[in-house]
Amino acid sequence: DIQMTQSPSSLSASVGDRVTITCRASQGISNYLAWFQQKPGKAPKSLIYAASSLQSGVPSKFSGSGSGTDFTLTISGLQPEDFATYYCQQYNSYPRTFGQGTRLEIK
Amino acid sequence: EVQLLESGGGLVQPGESLRLSCAASGFTFSTYAMSWVRQAPGKGLEWVSVISANSGATFYADSVKGRFSISRDNSKNTLHLQMDSLRSEDTAVYYCARKTGGTQDYWGQGTLVTVSS
Repeated sequence: DIQMTQSPSSLSASVGDRVTITCRASQGISNYLAWFQQKPGKAPKSLIYAASSLQSGVPSKFSGSGSGTDFTLTISGLQPEDFATYYCQQYNSYPRTFGQGTRLEIK
Repeated sequence: EVQLLESGGGLVQPGESLRLSCAASGFTFSTYAMSWVRQAPGKGLEWVSVISANSGATFYADSVKGRFSISRDNSKNTLHLQMDSLRSEDTAVYYCARKTGGTQDYWGQGTLVTVSS
């Protein structure tokens, strides 16, 4: 199985900041990577697919990059509604696997 | 508007069975593969299973293989997850999700399954 490792596990930032979350795959997955946002008690929301393509309706403050084994999610101009947990997921092969999550907290 | 509504969760004892359902609306259900993803209390997301649009292909996580079975009824726009021989480690919120381009785009709100004696 492909292991997905996110860093950091948690992150404190202020409103208006720009943050970057990293996701590393244990083997190459081309660009078959997705990012999700989850708020407490809510279902995950799809943000990005194919490493850098925004899902419909997702604001351009979210951006993704990477290919192969190393990927990043960048969020610009943090707003209170952006503080949540973020997960990456590889869909290069089965079983699909998620990173352990990155909790973004308000400083 | 795409809507996915899970049902069937509840409290069961170890070794018992449970069948989850997911009612889909707002899209042509029969043309999309569908997935189940779960989340244990306070933990991260775990992919469980997927079924192709015509039920011709299914895949499972190793943790549920041989115990869980995914199925769908395209005439009723409904996805199912039959869970047998349940264990305490199966306790989680179970989400159904539409599969697009390999990953999940729309998610339901989830149904809680608790396995405890």
